[in-house]
Amino acid sequence: GAVVSQHPSWVICKSGTSVKIECRSLDFQATTMFWYRQFPKQSLMLMATSNEGSKATYEQGVEKDKFLINHASLTLSTLTVTSAHPEDSSFYICSARESGGGGGYTFGSGTRLTVV
Amino acid sequence: EDQVTQSPEALRLQEGESSSLNCSYTVSGLRGLFWYRQDPGKGPEFLFTLYSAGEEKEKERLKATLTKKESFLHITAPKPEDSATYLCAVRVFSGGYNKLIFGAGTRLAVHP
Repeated sequence: GAVVSQHPSWVICKSGTSVKIECRSLDFQATTMFWYRQFPKQSLMLMATSNEGSKATYEQGVEKDKFLINHASLTLSTLTVTSAHPEDSSFYICSARESGGGGGYTFGSGTRLTVV
Repeated sequence: EDQVTQSPEALRLQEGESSSLNCSYTVSGLRGLFWYRQDPGKGPEFLFTLYSAGEEKEKERLKATLTKKESFLHITAPKPEDSATYLCAVRVFSGGYNKLIFGAGTRLAVHP
């Protein structure tokens, strides 16, 4: 089945620094990937839709300059949290859908970001 | 506004005690309803996709059904390993793309 690999699984960074999270589709091509954020005991909130070769589409209220998304190839999308602050601490999850893959969206294992 | 509501928020069952989880939705144009299982600290794991009212899908102890306003996830004779958060999501077309809108989830705990 389709596999999405997300790296790193957890990261601790200092306030003011930037952190990059990678999302790879291992055995399929994904022209579109999605980035979500999840707070404890809450559901997934879509942050942005990442499109290969073009600019990402951000959801309302998500700062484009803070959460930089790059989708440089059909198998890789990256999310960079710039100038991170403690309030950016959260669980970030990416997903992708294989074309003709029966309708299911495959999710990565998530990245736990802690900003200290 | 597209909205997904799941109930109950949390459910505690004894092993073997069957029950159902509810997902009600209000969307302008449903393009599929998805059920996922999420374990703590992990990404969601795909369970089912339903597209039209009356559709049903089964997998082991789980059965998902769909009506025009809601979906149910029936759990028959659950085991402790079924303990997880179950997420419901609807796919809608918005801003030029298909995207998923998630409910808040139901945290299921199955005790021996």
